[in-house]
Formats: sequence, C-alpha cells, structure tokens
Amino acid sequence: QVQLVESGGGLVKPGGSLRLSCAASGFTFNDYYMGWIRQAPGKGLEWISSITFSGSTIYYADSVKGRFTISTDNAKNSLYLQMNSLRADDTAVYYCARAIKTYYFDSWGQGALVTVSS
Amino acid sequence: EIVMTQSPATLSVSPGERAILSCRASQSVSNDLAWYQQKPGQAPRLLIYGASTRATGIPARFSGSGSGTEFTLTISSLQSEDFAVYYCQQYNNWPPRRTFGQGTKVEIK
Repeated sequence: QVQLVESGGGLVKPGGSLRLSCAASGFTFNDYYMGWIRQAPGKGLEWISSITFSGSTIYYADSVKGRFTISTDNAKNSLYLQMNSLRADDTAVYYCARAIKTYYFDSWGQGALVTVSS
Repeated sequence: EIVMTQSPATLSVSPGERAILSCRASQSVSNDLAWYQQKPGQAPRLLIYGASTRATGIPARFSGSGSGTEFTLTISSLQSEDFAVYYCQQYNNWPPRRTFGQGTKVEIK
C-alpha cells in the first residue's frame, strides 16, 4: 500500500535552515504529483508546495516562495523540502502528501514537526 | 486567492444523529472540492473529491453535495470514530495554489 514517511524535523533558530525528506513507496511515482502541506499548532491546513515526481513542474504558496525549495529524487523515491530563512510562523507539522494531478491529496505521511525558536 | 469558509466552527452532535457541515468558496470552484477528516495526532484522510465522490474505503454514511460556491458534507448517522475535525479544500484555480477551509470540529454532545 501507499506509504509516505517524513523525516528531518526539529528545532531551528530564526533565520536558520532545515531539510525535510519524505520516503515514498507502494505506488508508481511518475504517475503522480507530490506536495507539502503544513499545520501550525492548533491551526488549520496550509498548502505550501507541489511538484511532479519528475521535478519538471513546481508550484509554491506565496508564504514560502523564495525561501523554500521542493525537489524529488526518483532514484531514491523521495521528496524533499529545503527550508531557508526560517521564521517563527513557519513552526508547524509538515505533511508530505500524494496528489491526484495538482488537485487533491489522497495519501498523507504522519508529519514532521518543525519548531522555529531562539 | 480563493478563500474557503467553513461553518459552524464547532458542531455538537449525539452519536447516531446526522451532522451537516458547510463550506463556502469566495468564488466559483465548480465541483473541484475535496473533504478531509483529521483526528487528534493523525494526518488528514481524504473523504470526498469532486464534491460528491467518496474516496476508496470511505463508508456510505459520508456524502458530499454542492457546486459553485456552496458545499455540504453530511454524515448520516454519527459513529464514535467520526468525531474529528473536517476540512474542505478547493482545487479549481490556476496556477494551482490550493486552499483549505479553517475546519469544523464535530464533537460529542
């Protein structure tokens, strides 16, 4: 079955960087888009980025554009989110999710907590 | 940006009763609307896409309706495992900047 496993979360100081990884298995990667969605503590869901598994097409939310970079490694069946210039309001659980085209998200990982604090 | 507004914020329902959740879009999204369920400490789970199509494995007591700007998720007879937060999400705009509603918490009355 579809499995998505995030890693790389943790505590980072404001202005710092962090890289999240998502290991995918159980499906044919090239058939799907992938995305990152985050959830601040006690808040709702916020889509932040989507990418084709080939990496050829990428979209970002305005809140992270220019600071975050999404990428894939087909050889490792993995999705990444490089987060730079982190701010306190980036504190959230970050979910990796499989997308049907760019539409909706039909499988989700368990999430990785990123805390930005001095 | 398309803003999604859900109501009510909290819905208190007794087990076995029907729950009706609403989602409104700031502009028409046709039927490009999905619903998710999230339980505490868990990732969201896809319930409905295309406004009314149940995802794989979703029980028939969950149904979605609506088009354009007004949508409804109905849970016909609440089971204990249905108490959770529900989110709607539009996928109509281009470029594809997807937006979610703020959620409706369904709690035990």
